[in-house]
Amino acid sequence: GENVEQHPSTLSVQEGDSAVIKCTYSDSASNYFPWYKQELGKGPQLIIDIRSNVGEKKDQRIAVTLNKTAKHFSLHITETQPEDSAVYFCAAEIGANNLFFGTGTRLTVIP
Amino acid sequence: DAGITQSPRHKVTETGTPVTLRCHQTENHRYMYWYRQDPGHGLRLIHYSYGVKDTDKGEVSDGYSVSRSKTEDFLLTLESATSSQTSVYFCAISPGQGVSYEQYFGPGTRLTVT
Repeated sequence: GENVEQHPSTLSVQEGDSAVIKCTYSDSASNYFPWYKQELGKGPQLIIDIRSNVGEKKDQRIAVTLNKTAKHFSLHITETQPEDSAVYFCAAEIGANNLFFGTGTRLTVIP
Repeated sequence: DAGITQSPRHKVTETGTPVTLRCHQTENHRYMYWYRQDPGHGLRLIHYSYGVKDTDKGEVSDGYSVSRSKTEDFLLTLESATSSQTSVYFCAISPGQGVSYEQYFGPGTRLTVT
């Protein structure tokens, strides 16, 4: 099956700085890579996703990049704000809409 | 939470007892999923459904069964709960007709097996 590794497990940044979270995957057949944000006591919320036919996607302060050759993808958050503090999960899809998740990154934005 | 409700939201049960968790959606989406979330493991797929009465196993299906008799409801049953099934369970839905469609998650059910 798919194996998704996510780094770092914890990340602290000063408000206004950028944050980068990286994931690697093992199955070259994966074509869809979503990112989720999870706040305490809530379900994961889809924040951005990318499909294998593009290399980068942006949505305001959030961007995701994909390198299919190297089998890695990254989440970039610019101008971080305290409300960005949460746990972030990457995932890779393999067949029939099944997602395999990374183990999460706890992001803390220090005011 | 994208028109998804889960019940109960919290449950404490004893080892060996049966437990059923319910996921209800109002989006009329075709795909429904059950995941468990444990520290250090992220989210792992238990079972999923691609239509009424159509289900398949995920990565960690042992000890779990599912049923989907209506588009809007997806039930997860632990036939005989064990302590290793203490976890937070999330339901997700997707409109996908094939691959590469967004999944939206419910609020979760925290299950404790004593």
